Amino acid sequence: SQTIHQWPATLVQPVGSPLSLECTVEGTSNPNLYWYRQAAGRGLQLLFYSVGIGQISSEVPQNLSASRPQDRQFILSSKKLLLSDSGFYLCAWSATRHTEAFFGQGTRLTVV
Amino acid sequence: RKEVEQDPGPFNVPEGATVAFNCTYSNSASQSFFWYRQDCRKEPKLLMSVYSSGNEDGRFTAQLNRASQYISLLIRDSKLSDSATYLCVVSTTGNQFYFGTGTSLTVIP
Repeated sequence: SQTIHQWPATLVQPVGSPLSLECTVEGTSNPNLYWYRQAAGRGLQLLFYSVGIGQISSEVPQNLSASRPQDRQFILSSKKLLLSDSGFYLCAWSATRHTEAFFGQGTRLTVV
Repeated sequence: RKEVEQDPGPFNVPEGATVAFNCTYSNSASQSFFWYRQDCRKEPKLLMSVYSSGNEDGRFTAQLNRASQYISLLIRDSKLSDSATYLCVVSTTGNQFYFGTGTSLTVIP
């Protein structure tokens, strides 16, 4: 069966520090991969999606970036965090663009 | 205009009640539709897909109206464990999934 792993679960980082969140999927190949952010009390905002290695589409301009160095690995990064980057970051995968998406357990990021 | 819009609620209903949520989407070319459930401080989990003919899973019934561009979820015989936020999700012709902001449900003993 397919599983998705996301870490860390919780992270507290100072303003201006770098960020690297990692997500890996097991049990499937060539998945579509997604990064979402959910601010407190808000809906899920799509940040990036990827349909293959090295293919990244950005939905919202910001100081975040994403990379897909391997088929089942998706990384979210920032060189310098802002206070407004705080939120609940969720990685997700889907088999195709029209099948359901499955989420990792999320990373709760607090920028202080 | 948002891709997906939902009434945020909250809905507070007694156990055993029937409750319905609606959701509208803006892109008429949207292809796939889903309802997710999100518990407090947890990741969203798929509740059910929504098919054009409507579909039922136990106490849950989902309907799609393409002409009016809305999706509904009906929960019958509400349980305490149904308390959560319900998210309407739409997949477009691209590779994106767009989420509504969610409707909060609290089932009261």
